[in-house]
Amino acid sequence: RKEVEQDPGPFNVPEGATVAFNCTYSNSASQSFFWYRQDCRKEPKLLMSVYSSGNEDGRFTAQLNRASQYISLLIRDSKLSDSATYLCVVNLAAGNKLTFGGGTRVLVKP
Amino acid sequence: TAGITQAPTSQILAAGRSMTLRCTQDMRHNAMYWYRQDLGLGLRLIHYSNTAGTTGKGEVPDGYSVSRANTDDFPLTLASAVPSQTSVYFCASSDGLRAFFGQGTRLTVV
Repeated sequence: RKEVEQDPGPFNVPEGATVAFNCTYSNSASQSFFWYRQDCRKEPKLLMSVYSSGNEDGRFTAQLNRASQYISLLIRDSKLSDSATYLCVVNLAAGNKLTFGGGTRVLVKP
Repeated sequence: TAGITQAPTSQILAAGRSMTLRCTQDMRHNAMYWYRQDLGLGLRLIHYSNTAGTTGKGEVPDGYSVSRANTDDFPLTLASAVPSQTSVYFCASSDGLRAFFGQGTRLTVV
């Protein structure tokens, strides 16, 4: 089993709709969680950190479920510019190794 | 601000030749990483370094070596390149939580 797993998609989303997807992680000792965005094999860029209580940044909402060992990302009112691959990242405090999921591709269409 | 810089941005390399991919950061981050990204496989960790003078193996270390003589530089060396090492290579550094990426090196081994 991979340490961090994501549905590769693509998620085809009508403009203005809401899309949500999850990322599961296998190591219960994982400490930090992030969502990154990557466009066309350019470098990944931090979208948002994921906090235990859940957090929101504009149209983006991230949630952490430690009991079931997954994090989620929800995008409201999708824009064409939201089309990208969204990477889930998990950091084990011990060893400080950032482990990436394979990414979820989102395609927002007019 | 430069952040994290990789060189070269792209390279075509003959099989059997050696090559060093350069990575430099000016953020004084302790942790640095090398990933490769292949279509359908996401980002895979090659090697990492938690601090100057230490390195560790990631998920796919075979055929690669790294060194961390100082905080700023983390070069990745391919001693004898093979076609399966054709990939996009990303270097990253971390402030202990978030990772920041270089723009990537596109390497083709022929």
